[in-house]
Amino acid sequence: AQTVTQSQPEMSVQEAETVTLSCTYDTSENNYYLFWYKQPPSRQMILVIRQEAYKQQNATENRFSVNFQKAAKSFSLKISDSQLGDTAMYFCAFMGVGSQGNLIFGKGTKLSVKP
Amino acid sequence: ETGVTQTPRHLVMGMTNKKSLKCEQHLGHNAMYWYKQSAKKPLELMFVYSLEERVENNSVPSRFSPECPNSSHLFLHLHTLQPEDSALYLCASSQDQLAGVGYNEQFFGPGTRLTVL
Repeated sequence: AQTVTQSQPEMSVQEAETVTLSCTYDTSENNYYLFWYKQPPSRQMILVIRQEAYKQQNATENRFSVNFQKAAKSFSLKISDSQLGDTAMYFCAFMGVGSQGNLIFGKGTKLSVKP
Repeated sequence: ETGVTQTPRHLVMGMTNKKSLKCEQHLGHNAMYWYKQSAKKPLELMFVYSLEERVENNSVPSRFSPECPNSSHLFLHLHTLQPEDSALYLCASSQDQLAGVGYNEQFFGPGTRLTVL
């Protein structure tokens, strides 16, 4: 069975600085997808960034980028130029290519951006 | 309304009550999902409906009963719940996730905060 581990329950960063959230996963599959979701306080969960396992190039979305290390089964999220609106729970998630949309989530990291 | 909506947003019920959670998506999707988000635990997928047929049930207790009357609506019927069922219940929708064919993003609703007394 696949598992997703986020070892940092809480983190904080100063506005405009860079922060990296860690995620590791375990799977025997070769093809899969990895995601970072953001859940702001009392607001809906939204997808931040996605990585296909067959792509060696790390995904980037504006200030958000990932460091995908397939051999190490590591998938960290880097947030550059942190903004107050980045304050949220961040969830790392895994989905096998053959699954029926079955997202497997980590426990989340609570990120606080301080002014 | 746009996106995925859920009602009610908050619900308090006793262990002997029967209640239902409602989810509606306005995105033209044909797959819908129920997730449970408990404190200190990862989100857990409960049910998946694709083209109005249940395709996955992750060993959820029978006191939770889903219903998908059409591709836009999803219900979760609750009866004789336990205090440990208190959680945030999230609904999501996507285009049908054909096995082995790409990925279709899941869009989440705001959730129903359920408290079982």
